[in-house]
Amino acid sequence: NAGVTQTPKFQVLKTGQSMTLQCAQDMNHEYMSWYRQDPGMGLRLIHYSVGAGITDQGEVPNGYNVSRSTTEDFPLRLLSAAPSQTSVYFCASSLLGRQGSTDTQYFGPGTRLTVL
Amino acid sequence: GQQLNQSPQSMFIQEGEDVSMNCTSSSIFNTWLWYKQDPGEGPVLLIALYKAGELTSNGRLTAQFGITRKDSFLNISASIPSDVGIYFCAGQLRGTYKYIFGTGTRLKVLA
Repeated sequence: NAGVTQTPKFQVLKTGQSMTLQCAQDMNHEYMSWYRQDPGMGLRLIHYSVGAGITDQGEVPNGYNVSRSTTEDFPLRLLSAAPSQTSVYFCASSLLGRQGSTDTQYFGPGTRLTVL
Repeated sequence: GQQLNQSPQSMFIQEGEDVSMNCTSSSIFNTWLWYKQDPGEGPVLLIALYKAGELTSNGRLTAQFGITRKDSFLNISASIPSDVGIYFCAGQLRGTYKYIFGTGTRLKVLA
């Protein structure tokens, strides 16, 4: 099993450019999520999904789009990159537990994005 | 938005000492998770807590889910140099699938 994979590992964009950060998992997890981590801060939830075709907003969704066409993949799209989106982006996945909980979240290695 | 207050922000300790850190919030959580993050890596789960009052151990680590469901603590006993890193708490907000992370505790162990 590869676990949670993310591509690319590093990316530099110019303001206004668009791009997609890829995330894939091979553990058949229903729940997938995207976080951003800024220096000296914890992770903040951008978007999440509880299954194919179902997505919802997290804490900081503005400027980002997601879709979930398959269980395995959960891409994050930046439509028009801004310097404020310079950050490290982590994808995570887990099984859905009982009573509205999730199981252990497994994190990918991260994508380091710089917007000039 | 919801916030998780994690303290201390950083700590320097001698090898062999015990360490304690905690997270508090005004929100109620279904689940508490404690993670460790090494430089350039994603967070790795240390302990998961699912019930109020639950006390769980993982080797030298012990964590508890507060009775009020609004707080949690993590203890590390007999610290060793490889314990160095950033520790994060994360809580799953009650009634949602949303996780809120603390701002982290940076631990440095002096040999």
